[in-house]
Amino acid sequence: QAGLTQPPSVSKDLGQTATLTCTGNSNNVGDEGAIWLQQYQGHPPKLLSHRSNYRPSGISDRFSASRSGNTASLTITGLQPEDEADYYCSAWDNTLKAWLFGGGTKLTVL
Amino acid sequence: QMQLVQSGAEVKPPGASVKLSCKTSGYTFTHFYIHWVRQAPGRGLEWIGILHSDNGNTIYAQPFQGRVTVTRDTSTSTAYLELSGLRFEDTAMYFCTREAGGFDIWGQGTLVTVAS
Repeated sequence: QAGLTQPPSVSKDLGQTATLTCTGNSNNVGDEGAIWLQQYQGHPPKLLSHRSNYRPSGISDRFSASRSGNTASLTITGLQPEDEADYYCSAWDNTLKAWLFGGGTKLTVL
Repeated sequence: QMQLVQSGAEVKPPGASVKLSCKTSGYTFTHFYIHWVRQAPGRGLEWIGILHSDNGNTIYAQPFQGRVTVTRDTSTSTAYLELSGLRFEDTAMYFCTREAGGFDIWGQGTLVTVAS
C-alpha cells in the first residue's frame, strides 16, 4: 500500500526551529488530516498531535501541527537535545480503508 | 491510570502462528478502537489492523489479509492479534494502541522473532 512521504532526515541547530513535512493525497492527509508521533529508540511512539492538530495534555507547546492541502507539517521551536528522535505521521485513507504511516523522519539536533 | 499491557516475547519457527494479547485498563474498553502496529528492526511503523472494540468488527491492512485475525474479550478488556504463516520478515516489535483522535496510548510492545 502507498504510504505517506516524509524526508528521511532533518538536522537543525540547538534552539532553532524545525519543520517536518508529511505528504499524502486528497484521500488521506487532505481529507482527514494527520497525526504526529515521536519515538525514541527502544520505546513505543508517543502522540504529539491529534488529527485536528490538537496537542494532547502534557505535550510541550513547542510542538505545533498544521496542514495545507495534502501536506501536514510539524513545527518544533526552540530545539532541545531531547527533541532528537524519530517522528512519524499517520493518516486514515478513505479509499484504501486503512491507516497509513510515513516512513519517519530522524531529527538530529546539532 | 490508563494503560495497555502486552504479552511477552515470542520465538516461532517459519510457518507457525502466534497470538499476542493486549490487556487494557483504566478506561471503558468498548468506547475506543484498538489498533495493531508493527515495527521491524531498524524500520518504520506499519499498520496491521483495527478492532472496533464495541462490536468486534475489524479492518485489516491489505498485506496482512488472510493471515491476521484480531479478536477481543470484553470480559477482560483484552484485544488479541493472531498472525499465521509466519515468515522471517514478520520478525518485529508488535504494538497495540488506542485510538482517541490519534493513537494516544500504546502498549510496551511484544517482540516476535521468527527463526528456524
